[in-house]
Amino acid sequence: AQSVTQLDSQVPVFEEAPVELRCNYSSSVSVYLFWYVQYPNQGLQLLLKYLSGSTLVESINGFEAEFNKSQTSFHLRKPSVHISDTAEYFCAVRLPYSGAGSYQLTFGKGTKLSVIP
Amino acid sequence: DGGITQSPKYLFRKEGQNVTLSCEQNLNHDAMYWYRQDPGQGLRLIYYSQIVNDFQKGDIAEGYSVSREKKESFPLTVTSAQKNPTAFYLCATSSRTDNSPLHFGNGTRLTVT
Repeated sequence: AQSVTQLDSQVPVFEEAPVELRCNYSSSVSVYLFWYVQYPNQGLQLLLKYLSGSTLVESINGFEAEFNKSQTSFHLRKPSVHISDTAEYFCAVRLPYSGAGSYQLTFGKGTKLSVIP
Repeated sequence: DGGITQSPKYLFRKEGQNVTLSCEQNLNHDAMYWYRQDPGQGLRLIYYSQIVNDFQKGDIAEGYSVSREKKESFPLTVTSAQKNPTAFYLCATSSRTDNSPLHFGNGTRLTVT
């Protein structure tokens, strides 16, 4: 079975500083990878996803994540954070559908990003 | 507008009562899911359904029940058998393709006292 580890439960960072949120996964087969963002008392919103192809994926609001197969990682980065980036971020994996199970995602426990003015 | 509607946003119940959380979608997605979120524990899968009239238990199904009579609807009942029902409950949908992400509703916060 696959699993996801988000190494930091909380990350405080000053406004306009760079940030990296770490995500490692374990799986015996290739996986699809996702980052979601959650603002207080809301659902999760898809930030970006890696399915195949280029290992560097970008979102529309300046975040990027790099898939590293050898290190089984999918860390999320932003070169300069804004106050509005304060939220909780979840890394998730999905196995390719094999006819059994479902299209469900397995989530990490989340990282709370706090941007300090 | 298209999306997933969870209602109500906040729900309060007394211990020992069953309660049903609503999830309706108009995205025409086949698959629907219920996750439970507790602080510091991420999201844990309760039940999922890939087609109408069929559903499967997730990792923490004990004390919960679901039905899938219509494609658009996937209600979750939290029964009195659930030991710690107070949590944030999230409904999600996806199409049945490999590269389809999950789409989430805005959640229902259930408090049981």
